[in-house]
Amino acid sequence: NAGVTQTPKFRVLKTGQSMTLLCAQDMNHEYMYWYRQDPGMGLRLIHYSVGEGTTAKGEVPDGYNVSRLKKQNFLLGLESAAPSQTSVYFCASSHGGFRGDTEAFFGQGTRLTVV
Amino acid sequence: GENVEQHPSTLSVQEGDSAVIKCTYSDSASNYFPWYKQELGKRPQLIIDIRSNVGEKKDQRIAVTLNKTAKHFSLHITETQPEDSAVYFCAASISPDTGFQKLVFGTGTRLLVSP
Repeated sequence: NAGVTQTPKFRVLKTGQSMTLLCAQDMNHEYMYWYRQDPGMGLRLIHYSVGEGTTAKGEVPDGYNVSRLKKQNFLLGLESAAPSQTSVYFCASSHGGFRGDTEAFFGQGTRLTVV
Repeated sequence: GENVEQHPSTLSVQEGDSAVIKCTYSDSASNYFPWYKQELGKRPQLIIDIRSNVGEKKDQRIAVTLNKTAKHFSLHITETQPEDSAVYFCAASISPDTGFQKLVFGTGTRLLVSP
């Protein structure tokens, strides 16, 4: 059971380049999330999805787009990367929303550097 | 606004001592409070959580307490061991107008347990 898997694990981009981060979960979870983690700022929600075909904005959505075409996959796109998007990105999934009866499982993270 | 404050940002203790990390939240509707442990270079992992209808929960050497009136909750680790060294994040469920409960994380506490 792989759980939540992120691809790639590391990436270096030049300013203005685009890329897509892939998150895949094999737990049949409805909910999926993308967070970014920056020093001293904890985990901040970028976008989330409550089911296949749905997406919604989180706390820091600017500069990112997402898609959930398949239930098991949640893609995070950077159309024109900026140095401010240098961060560690974590995907997570859960069976339900955070109503006190479900645990969120995190992927191993993607370290992105934009130069 | 939606906010979770976490203190201290760093905590150094001797092996065998107790460690306490405190968080406060702003949304009175929050009803789910998980704690995550993140070891260096690893993904966050849930270690304990508490729901708003419970004042305290314990699991071996870790415990969490919740004071809904004061809107704060704390993580207590007793008999600390070097392997407890990690960054600990608190989180609280937030209920925006969309009705979807999301997690807002604290900024993290780096715990160092010295032998």
